[in-house]
Amino acid sequence: GESVGLHLPTLSVQEGDNSIINCAYSNSASDYFIWYKQESGKGPQFIIDIRSNMDKRQGQRVTVLLNKTVKHLSLQIAATQPGDSAVYFCAEKDTGGFKTIFGAGTRLFVKA
Amino acid sequence: ETGVTQSPTHLIKTRGQQVTLRCSSQSGHNTVSWYQQALGQGPQFIFQYYREEENGRGNFPPRFSGLQFPNYSSELNVNALELDDSALYLCASSLASGLNTEAFFGQGTRLTVV
Repeated sequence: GESVGLHLPTLSVQEGDNSIINCAYSNSASDYFIWYKQESGKGPQFIIDIRSNMDKRQGQRVTVLLNKTVKHLSLQIAATQPGDSAVYFCAEKDTGGFKTIFGAGTRLFVKA
Repeated sequence: ETGVTQSPTHLIKTRGQQVTLRCSSQSGHNTVSWYQQALGQGPQFIFQYYREEENGRGNFPPRFSGLQFPNYSSELNVNALELDDSALYLCASSLASGLNTEAFFGQGTRLTVV
């Protein structure tokens, strides 16, 4: 069956360092991937997305990399700040386009 | 803030009861999706409504039902509540039921079943 999972449940980084959050997916038919950030007491917030015809996409301080060969997705956060502390989810849209499948999440701790 | 509002923010119900959760979508959005998020897990898709019709459903039993109104606001109804229904229920609205449309989430309703 299809699944979206994460390699590490928690990640701790020093303020100012770069963070890398990894994600594996199993459905090779998925062609749209999204990263969300969820802070305590809030709903998920869209960070960045990427389609399967791309292998890299950059936003403000964030970069998403997609490796379709090994079905791997990563989120890179440059110069991590205390405000980046949250749970990060990777997600995929199924081929019907109406359902977003979320992984379990990685909690990012930023140490001052 | 996303403009998606959910009510109530917190709710406690007894096993066997029924509950209705509400969601107002962002202005101009005609698609609403509902998710269940258990503690420590990612959100799980329940169903989606597009222009007042159910457009897709996840692996949830029929006691989970919904409605979408002409103004695109939506309700999630859960009958015969079970303890395992305790979770954060999230509503997300988007412009259209398409592949590449960004969804905006509300802050969720925390449901506790005792």
